[in-house]
Amino acid sequence: QQPVQSPQAVILREGEDAVINCSSSKALYSVHWYRQKHGEAPVFLMILLKGGEQKGHEKISASFNEKKQQSSLYLTASQLSYSGTYFCGTENFGNEKLTFGTGTRLTIIP
Amino acid sequence: DTGVSQNPRHKITKRGQNVTFRCDPISEHNRLYWYRQTLGQGPEFLTYFQNEAQLEKSRLLSDRFSAERPKGSFSTLEIQRTEQGDSAMYLCASSFRTGRDEQFFGPGTRLTVL
Repeated sequence: QQPVQSPQAVILREGEDAVINCSSSKALYSVHWYRQKHGEAPVFLMILLKGGEQKGHEKISASFNEKKQQSSLYLTASQLSYSGTYFCGTENFGNEKLTFGTGTRLTIIP
Repeated sequence: DTGVSQNPRHKITKRGQNVTFRCDPISEHNRLYWYRQTLGQGPEFLTYFQNEAQLEKSRLLSDRFSAERPKGSFSTLEIQRTEQGDSAMYLCASSFRTGRDEQFFGPGTRLTVL
């Protein structure tokens, strides 16, 4: 079942912070975050694994609440380059297959 | 360029025709995934390979879709008897060993079925 992302869209001024949420109705083994710019392929941001391990870019932070089956991506001091659509991909049942959410469109304005 | 490559980048075909797409993953990556993405949606899982073995195929995928990864290197995705509903971006991604490694996506093949 597809994870739900919120908000669907957000507009920020450069330097402001944003939080993007991802929620699943099923138990999560891992959550992956990607950013996709218009006309381009998704680009990896972070993986959060059950048990607390994280892999990702230093400037990106995220949380994973296993009990609530939720993950949040934190974007601080946003830059124009952060604009794009953010997708979470969730892994259920330990099958290492990702189901992606419908995305959160982030627009950063000067 | 050592990233994931896909060919062709664009394909326009008539309904009922067969099409084949190719994906060349990053050379040392064992995992290869195929996704389909339509406008405003996230990538939708189609199938994945561990080396040459196809480990899972989406239940949403009809028998018209088939994928191969001979010798565990490049992969092909074939769609037979295309339908207008097959129009989408087809993305390929690869990862080092497991599904819990980051996936590197290719630029995609945009399919338009007339």
